[in-house]
Amino acid sequence: DQQVKQNSPSLSVQEGRISILNCDYTNSMFDYFLWYKKYPAEGPTFLISISSIKDKNEDGRFTVFLNKSAKHLSLHIVPSQPGDSAVYFCAAKTGGGNKLTFGTGTQLKVEL
Amino acid sequence: NAGVTQTPKFRILKIGQSMTLQCTQDMNHNYMYWYRQDPGMGLKLIYYSVGAGITDKGEVPNGYNVSRSTTEDFPLRLELAAPSQTSVYFCASSSGLGNTIYFGEGSWLTVV
Repeated sequence: DQQVKQNSPSLSVQEGRISILNCDYTNSMFDYFLWYKKYPAEGPTFLISISSIKDKNEDGRFTVFLNKSAKHLSLHIVPSQPGDSAVYFCAAKTGGGNKLTFGTGTQLKVEL
Repeated sequence: NAGVTQTPKFRILKIGQSMTLQCTQDMNHNYMYWYRQDPGMGLKLIYYSVGAGITDKGEVPNGYNVSRSTTEDFPLRLELAAPSQTSVYFCASSSGLGNTIYFGEGSWLTVV
């Protein structure tokens, strides 16, 4: 049972344009969501997070939007840069818990 | 700036062999985790620890054992390797509940 779903395994965007990565979840107990970025042969690195009490969180070029009623979140990267090419994982957790449930990842390719 | 360090980076095991994946962190984090990532899948939690002497099972603990004798170290033991354990293993740590989880670079394990 995949509680966190990233239905697009890959996404290709031109440099300078907006990248939108989507994530859906089924567990209504999730109340904290994170995005991790992963380069080949490296471990995932934390990118941005959002609590369920918010619907938007912004950090530089990265913005995460949360739609609780739809159980959907998205990561917007604008403008996209070639260095953003990586696999992006959505993750979620409940309450004060420390266990993350990960999605399957979306491979983003930013082309020149 | 070592962070989370895992060894070995690559290993080939024969079916039935045993091995230990080592993990150490120098950030004085109480929480440590072991995840595995299969091709095209998200990361799944194997075991975690909330402090020295305390460990608990994650989603996929079968075939693995862990120990946490010190704050810094969290080794993962495979007792009887099986082809289904071919995966990339990530060790991670965090300072506490709700805080960012930091990952090591990964250990690629192949069981033949």
